[in-house]
Amino acid sequence: AQTVTQSQPEMSVQEAETVTLSCTYDTSESNYYLFWYKQPPSRQMILVIRQEAYKQQNATENRFSVNFQKAAKSFSLKISDSQLGDTAMYFCSNSGGSNYKLTFGKGTLLTVNP
Amino acid sequence: EAGVVQSPRYKIIEKKQPVAFWCNPISGHNTLYWYLQNLGQGPELLIRYENEEAVDDSQLPKDRFSAERLKGVDSTLKIQPAELGDSAVYLCASSLGAGQDLGGRTGELFFGEGSRLTVL
Repeated sequence: AQTVTQSQPEMSVQEAETVTLSCTYDTSESNYYLFWYKQPPSRQMILVIRQEAYKQQNATENRFSVNFQKAAKSFSLKISDSQLGDTAMYFCSNSGGSNYKLTFGKGTLLTVNP
Repeated sequence: EAGVVQSPRYKIIEKKQPVAFWCNPISGHNTLYWYLQNLGQGPELLIRYENEEAVDDSQLPKDRFSAERLKGVDSTLKIQPAELGDSAVYLCASSLGAGQDLGGRTGELFFGEGSRLTVL
């Protein structure tokens, strides 16, 4: 069974600053993927960044990067140079094994203030 | 490339009435998902299709919920009769299925905008 825990229900950051969202997970799979999805208000959920568990190097996508600690089962998201458009719910998720079933955390509401 | 299309976007019904949601996935995506998202929560899987086969429906309340994916493309999710607790957003998503991984996009889901259901 897979579980995903996001311990920060809400966070806020000033525009242009850096913020880190936390996520821990548990899985019995040896090969799995981790994702951060973004859900802006009243808009569809989109993928922000993806990490393959067998890769030690942390994934980066422009201003978004992750800190993947496999032994600790931790997968945090760092957003640099925060922009107003980053305001959204952020969901951490885990896709394990061969069934491509994503398990989502409860989300973190990030507000970027001007 | 057209995204995942869902309809209706919003639906308000009286309890005990039936309701249906429709989803058109991204062309070529074999895997289709229906997720339930309660307010302030993460999505929870209701059912997953590989082509026209429901391969995971363990979380679908089968006494009132049903789904189908005819010809392995479009899908419909139905609730009959609806209850007050069914008020939520119903998300459809699609992805490349097993063996379809192109460009290292394994596991990535593409979501529709969702169908928001209010049961009065």
